[in-house]
Amino acid sequence: AQSVTQLDSHVSVSEGTPVLLRCNYSSSYSPSLFWYVQHPNKGLQLLLKYTSAATLVKGINGFEAEFKKSETSFHLTKPSAHMSDAAEYFCVVILAYGGSQGNLIFGKGTKLSVKP
Amino acid sequence: DAGVTQSPTHLIKTRGQQVTLRCSPKSGHDTVSWYQQALGQGPQFIFQYYEEEERQRGNFPDRFSGHQFPNYSSELNVNALLLGDSALYLCASSLRASEKTQYFGPGTRLLVL
Repeated sequence: AQSVTQLDSHVSVSEGTPVLLRCNYSSSYSPSLFWYVQHPNKGLQLLLKYTSAATLVKGINGFEAEFKKSETSFHLTKPSAHMSDAAEYFCVVILAYGGSQGNLIFGKGTKLSVKP
Repeated sequence: DAGVTQSPTHLIKTRGQQVTLRCSPKSGHDTVSWYQQALGQGPQFIFQYYEEEERQRGNFPDRFSGHQFPNYSSELNVNALLLGDSALYLCASSLRASEKTQYFGPGTRLLVL
């Protein structure tokens, strides 16, 4: 079965310092992985996606993630946090079979707080 | 280019009532998926529609049903509402023949009293 585990429920950083949000996945075959962000009372916005091309994926707003098959990890990073980055972040794997479009399996989320 | 839109934004119902939520997909998309996000949780997959048929279903009871129209828009219906149905309902659209990226709408927040 496919699943993702977000290792931290809450991460707090100071503005201008690096961000690291950790995600491990479980998949019986090469997965497609995503990071989505959800600001308070808003819908989900796609940050970036990995679909078996380059292992280092660059997303919007300066975020990037590296797919490491040996560690079954897909951690999200950003060199310098901004106050506007404060939000909930979800690591997501897609469950696709039989040529279907697939449905998304979400982690439990990591709440990122940014201190001034 | 309009993104995914959902209506209404908020809704209050009482137990036992029925509710219909609506979703218009992103322009050019033909597949619509629905998710339920309880407070403090990640979204959970309800079902997915393509070519006006339910193609996949998550672990939700038959009280949850849906429909997709020829213009690809979709409805989510929930019958016999329970207090536990209170949640943010998210619609996502994608293009079946292409990459599997799903784009989300802002959601409908349902409160059942």
